[in-house]
Amino acid sequence: QVQLQESGPGLVKPSETLSLTCSVSGGSFSSFYWSWIRQPPGKGLQWIGYIYYSGSTNYSPSLKSRVTMSVDTSRKQFSLNLKSVTGADTGIYYCARYSRSAGAFDLWGQGTVVTVSS
Amino acid sequence: SSELTQDPAVSVALGQTVRITCQGDSLRTYFANWYQQRPGQAPVLVMYDRNSRPSGIPDRFSGSSSGDTASLTITGAQAEDDADYYCHSRDSSGKHLIFGGGTKLTVL
Repeated sequence: QVQLQESGPGLVKPSETLSLTCSVSGGSFSSFYWSWIRQPPGKGLQWIGYIYYSGSTNYSPSLKSRVTMSVDTSRKQFSLNLKSVTGADTGIYYCARYSRSAGAFDLWGQGTVVTVSS
Repeated sequence: SSELTQDPAVSVALGQTVRITCQGDSLRTYFANWYQQRPGQAPVLVMYDRNSRPSGIPDRFSGSSSGDTASLTITGAQAEDDADYYCHSRDSSGKHLIFGGGTKLTVL
């Protein structure tokens, strides 16, 4: 079955760039929107944005100025770069598959913890 | 408005019925989806397109919508339903995705 796996540094210094990659295995990469969602400690879910397999993007207005997403279809991977991070960016980062037909996130990675600290 | 509002906490006795609600102006236009998140786990989609259940989700879960409010109903709540539940939809512009603040469901 299709699986998503996040990878990247668990610790990032303030003002630096957070970089994560999500690898997709076991299924189709095309025809889906690939998304990042985060969850601060003890808080709710926040949509960061998504990227279509063709490379078109849609970012949350609250994070748009700091977010860049990219996709590598040959490797079935997509990535998140979040620049100028602060402690407020600490949390669990999930990659997820957004199904346009369902209008929902139908598949999630297990999540990766990112801490912003010097 | 670009917000979805949920009650922070709801409780239900084992075997009873509970309704979790999500309110927002955008829900007059766009449907809500629902996710269950158990402690230490990633969210799981339990309801989409108002009242469609993904494969593997028990039929005790159902969804509905009226006006600016969407609801997730669990009929005959089980101990394993004890979890956080999040609604998700589009903002009023329709361009961006948003989540509700989440409801912690306690099964007593």
